[in-house]
Amino acid sequence: AQSVTQPDIHITVSEGASLELRCNYSYGATPYLFWYVQSPGQGLQLLLKYFSGDTLVQGIKGFEAEFKRSQSSFNLRKPSVHWSDAAEYFCAVGAKGYQKVTFGTGTKLQVIP
Amino acid sequence: GAGVSQSPSNKVTEKGKDVELRCDPISGHTALYWYRQSLGQGLEFLIYFQGNSAPDKSGLPSDRFSAERTGGSVSTLTIQRTQQEDSAVYLCASSLARQSYEQYFGPGTRLTVT
Repeated sequence: AQSVTQPDIHITVSEGASLELRCNYSYGATPYLFWYVQSPGQGLQLLLKYFSGDTLVQGIKGFEAEFKRSQSSFNLRKPSVHWSDAAEYFCAVGAKGYQKVTFGTGTKLQVIP
Repeated sequence: GAGVSQSPSNKVTEKGKDVELRCDPISGHTALYWYRQSLGQGLEFLIYFQGNSAPDKSGLPSDRFSAERTGGSVSTLTIQRTQQEDSAVYLCASSLARQSYEQYFGPGTRLTVT
């Protein structure tokens, strides 16, 4: 069975600083990997996804993530955080032909001035 | 265009009552998912509908939970004899069959059982 671990429950960064959110997955074959963002009172919005090919994927809002098979990781990064990035971020793993996607427990990002 | 909508946005109910939560997916999306999001938890998969196929109910936590999807569009999640542990945000998502990995989420229904 596939699983996802987001080891950081809360992260606080200063506006303008760089950001990295960690995600580790467990899956035997090549996973399909996603990052979603949830703003307060909202549903989840897809930031980016990895299916195959280039291991560095670009997403919306200036985010990127890198798939590292050797580390079973798919960390989310942003070079300069904006106050509007404060939200909860979810990593998720799926697989080809498997309709269900397993979500991590989320990382809540706080941005301070 | 219109996204996924859910109603009500908030629901407070007494323990033991039945509740119905509604989801209107994006037009043309054949796949529909229900998730439960409890405080401090990730998203817990509940049920998945794909076209006219039998739904995948493997995530429903008990037989008090059921869902249906009428006409391949609107879906209703029903919780019978609600318990306090059912308090959570219930999220609905829809997707195109050929891109079923990219899910579009509604804003959720916050259910509080008193």
